[in-house]
Amino acid sequence: QVYLVESGGGVVQPGESLRLSCAASGFTFTSYDMQWVRQAPGKGLEWVATIRYDAVTEYYIGSVRGRFTVSRDNSKNTVHLQMSSLRSEDTAVYYCARAIFPRLAVAGFWGQGTRVTVSS
Amino acid sequence: DIQMTQSPSSLSASVGDRVTITCRASQGIGNYLAWFQQKPGKAPRSLIYAASTLHSGVPSKFSGTGSGTDFTLTINSLQPEDFATYYCQQYDTYPFTFGPGTKVHIK
Repeated sequence: QVYLVESGGGVVQPGESLRLSCAASGFTFTSYDMQWVRQAPGKGLEWVATIRYDAVTEYYIGSVRGRFTVSRDNSKNTVHLQMSSLRSEDTAVYYCARAIFPRLAVAGFWGQGTRVTVSS
Repeated sequence: DIQMTQSPSSLSASVGDRVTITCRASQGIGNYLAWFQQKPGKAPRSLIYAASTLHSGVPSKFSGTGSGTDFTLTINSLQPEDFATYYCQQYDTYPFTFGPGTKVHIK
């Protein structure tokens, strides 16, 4: 059984930083790409970032590139999203997701999400 | 970036109906198209990948077709648990992009 548990959300002011974590279990973590997807209040889904299984290659949506960094600790089965220079438009529920299969990047399994609110 | 559109944005249907949702990509994406279901306050659920392949555990009343730029999701014999919002997503090219969603209401 695949388990993904996000943590680290909260309320921060514009310009501040926050680090989200996603603890994974139930599968061979080092074989799968991991991604973050967010959903602003009342809005649709937005892919944010992917880190490949090897922890070397990362991809970002343009609006967060240079402000967010995705990383993974393959020894702890954890993926992180370091968010800096946060803006009000970053307010969302952030979901961690695992690829369906190794080397097939599309999300197949999802965590329950962690809420980030950026407000002064 | 590849833009994804969906139609309709919402629809009303009755239990037992068959519904079809359309998704269109702004450029060809082969069959790198996925469908997701989301209920209010819940995480998305993966339904279909590679345009037509059902994710593990997804009932066969869900089906997907298409390739290139035009895709459809069909739900047969709609049940109360199927009333939700459905999103398509292309994963051919980064950044991956979602459609705006189609909300399926109970009539």
